[in-house]
Amino acid sequence: RKEVEQDPGPFNVPEGATVAFNCTYSNSASQSFFWYRQDCRKEPKLLMSVYSSGNEDGRFTAQLNRASQYISLLIRDSKLSDSATYLCVVNAVGRDDKIIFGKGTRLHILP
Amino acid sequence: GAVVSQHPSWVICKSGTSVKIECRSLDFQATTMFWYRQFPKQSLMLMATSNEGSKATYEQGVEKDKFLINHASLTLSTLTVTSAHPEDSSFYICSARDQGSWVGYTFGSGTRLTVV
Repeated sequence: RKEVEQDPGPFNVPEGATVAFNCTYSNSASQSFFWYRQDCRKEPKLLMSVYSSGNEDGRFTAQLNRASQYISLLIRDSKLSDSATYLCVVNAVGRDDKIIFGKGTRLHILP
Repeated sequence: GAVVSQHPSWVICKSGTSVKIECRSLDFQATTMFWYRQFPKQSLMLMATSNEGSKATYEQGVEKDKFLINHASLTLSTLTVTSAHPEDSSFYICSARDQGSWVGYTFGSGTRLTVV
């Protein structure tokens, strides 16, 4: 099982719709979780950290399910500018400060 | 917030030459920086962990003699691709984490290397 797995997509979603991504991780001892956004040919940028109780930032909601070892990202009222690749990131347990990236899920918001 | 500056943004070089990429933390000190490589439509793959004042730690399969890393100060790490070949053409990105704040990992803007 891969350390961090995501559905690669692409997800083609009409503008204004709600879209959800899931990500699973293999190491139950992982403690830090993040969602990053990467635009084409650009560096990843932190979208939000994921907290145990779940957290929301505007149209974005992140959830963590430790029992099932998955995290999710929900985007409401999607905008054209949300088109990007969304990367699930988990800390590498016992490997200092390293983090592990999922392959990313590509999202295309359609006008 | 934490800012990481990476230079150059892109570089084209001839096969057999060496290319140096710089990564600087502008407003924080980073004892550890990370170097990634990303091929088109692929995930970021960690190449090595750069440690200030000591040797870098390389991931399995990454040639340390080919990808030289130097982390001589708390704000600067360099990656040198030696004797570059066309298969080294890729997007190289560095990152660091500001231990003094909870902002996740900050990435440099990346360097697109093309070896011809």
